Amino acid sequence: DTVMTQSPDSLAVSLGERATINCKSSQSILYSSNNKNYLAWFQQKPGQPPKLLIYWASTRESGVPDRFSGSGSGTDFNLTISSLQTEDVAVYYCQQYYTAFRTFGQGTKVEI
Amino acid sequence: QVQLVESGGGVVQPGGSLRLSCAASGFIFSDYGMHWVRQTPGKGLEWVAFIPSDGSYQFDADSVRGRFTISRDNYKNTLYLQMNRLRPEDTAVYYCVYDTGRGDIWGQGTMVTVSS
Repeated sequence: DTVMTQSPDSLAVSLGERATINCKSSQSILYSSNNKNYLAWFQQKPGQPPKLLIYWASTRESGVPDRFSGSGSGTDFNLTISSLQTEDVAVYYCQQYYTAFRTFGQGTKVEI
Repeated sequence: QVQLVESGGGVVQPGGSLRLSCAASGFIFSDYGMHWVRQTPGKGLEWVAFIPSDGSYQFDADSVRGRFTISRDNYKNTLYLQMNRLRPEDTAVYYCVYDTGRGDIWGQGTMVTVSS
């Protein structure tokens, strides 16, 4: 199994400031044949399902504000919120989809 | 737009059974693999099972193997999860998940509570 480990577990950031979440996978999720990292980031607000923000490690889903960005490759990835807004308060998860056996980070709670 | 509507959750006694359904719309259901994923406060997000577009096989997690069966009806655009021999640790919100190939889209979820 590919273990996904996020840090930190929680993060308090002032409005308008930058938030960065790290995610490490226990094995590479870079598929060499297409040079894509099978890493996604999700946002989950209370009472709602996870919402896809970023796929292929750095591609924003349609409609996601450009203050959200993803970076990294291989086993080390980051999600950055460049200027935190009140509506960004949520739990964020990374997920590998390199295999059908999906695995997730434990989540990072972002607060103001 | 994509819609995934789960149903069938509820309260069941340990050892009992439930069948979850997920009605899909807004995409060509028969072209895509589908997953069930569950979420508990204690264990976070846990992948449960996967079925490819043609339903020809399934993968499932060790924790549910031999008890849960994922299936699909491509004529009805519906995904199923048959859950037998339920245990208290199966208590969770169960999500139907559409595997787009570039990222997953989730339904709203249905709550399953296993308790006597």
